[in-house]
Amino acid sequence: GQQLNQSPQSMFIQEGEDVSMNCTSSSIFNTWLWYKQDPGEGPVLLIALYKAGELTSNGRLTAQFGITRKDSFLNISASIPSDVGIYFCAGANAGGTSYGKLTFGQGTILTVHP
Amino acid sequence: KAGVTQTPRYLIKTRGQQVTLSCSPISGHRSVSWYQQTPGQGLQFLFEYFSETQRNKGNFPGRFSGRQFSNSRSEMNVSTLELGDSALYLCASSQTGGHNYGYTFGSGTRLTVV
Repeated sequence: GQQLNQSPQSMFIQEGEDVSMNCTSSSIFNTWLWYKQDPGEGPVLLIALYKAGELTSNGRLTAQFGITRKDSFLNISASIPSDVGIYFCAGANAGGTSYGKLTFGQGTILTVHP
Repeated sequence: KAGVTQTPRYLIKTRGQQVTLSCSPISGHRSVSWYQQTPGQGLQFLFEYFSETQRNKGNFPGRFSGRQFSNSRSEMNVSTLELGDSALYLCASSQTGGHNYGYTFGSGTRLTVV
C-alpha cells in the first residue's frame, strides 16, 4: 500500500530559526495536507494543497505540492516556542478505496528552545 | 461553528470487554472517518462513513466496527478488547470525504485497556 516517508523525525532548534520538513511517497496523491498535533489533542490542519506545483502560505508557514505529486514540503519561518509539537504530512486521493482516507507520514517532532 | 466532538475523552477498559466511542462531525459535514493512533504504528485509517454507509475500510480486524446515523453522528465499537487496542482514537469529518476538502479532527478518545 501507499506509504509516506517524512523527515526529519525530530528537530531541535533555537527560537527565531527557520524549519524545513518534507514528505515523499512511492505513489502519487491528489491532495497533500499538513497537520500539527499537540499532546493529547487531535491533529489541526495547517495547510491544504490541491494542485501539483502549488505553493501556499499560512502566516509563517509555507508548503508546496511537488510537481511529481509524490512529495511535499513544509517550511516554518522565524520559529517561536508555540511552534512546538508534532507535524504530520498526509496524502489523499480521489474516490473509490480512497474515500475519507488520509495516509499519514510518521511525523516530525519539533522542539524550539527559547 | 462547533468543531468535531468526540466522547468520552478518556476510557479505561478491561481485556475482553467492548467499548463504544462517539463522534459528532461539524454541522453540514456528511463524511466521518476514524483513525487509530499509537506510538508504534502512527495514524492508521480504520473506516469511513458517508450518509450512513461505510464506503471505505482499513486493515483492521472485524472486532472494529462502526456506524453512522442520519444526523451524521458516528460511533465506533471495539469488541473483545486486547491490550494492543490501547490507543488514541480520532475521528475526522469532511463535507464529502473526497480528496479536495480538508479533514477536521476531533480531540480524540484515549482508550486504555488493562
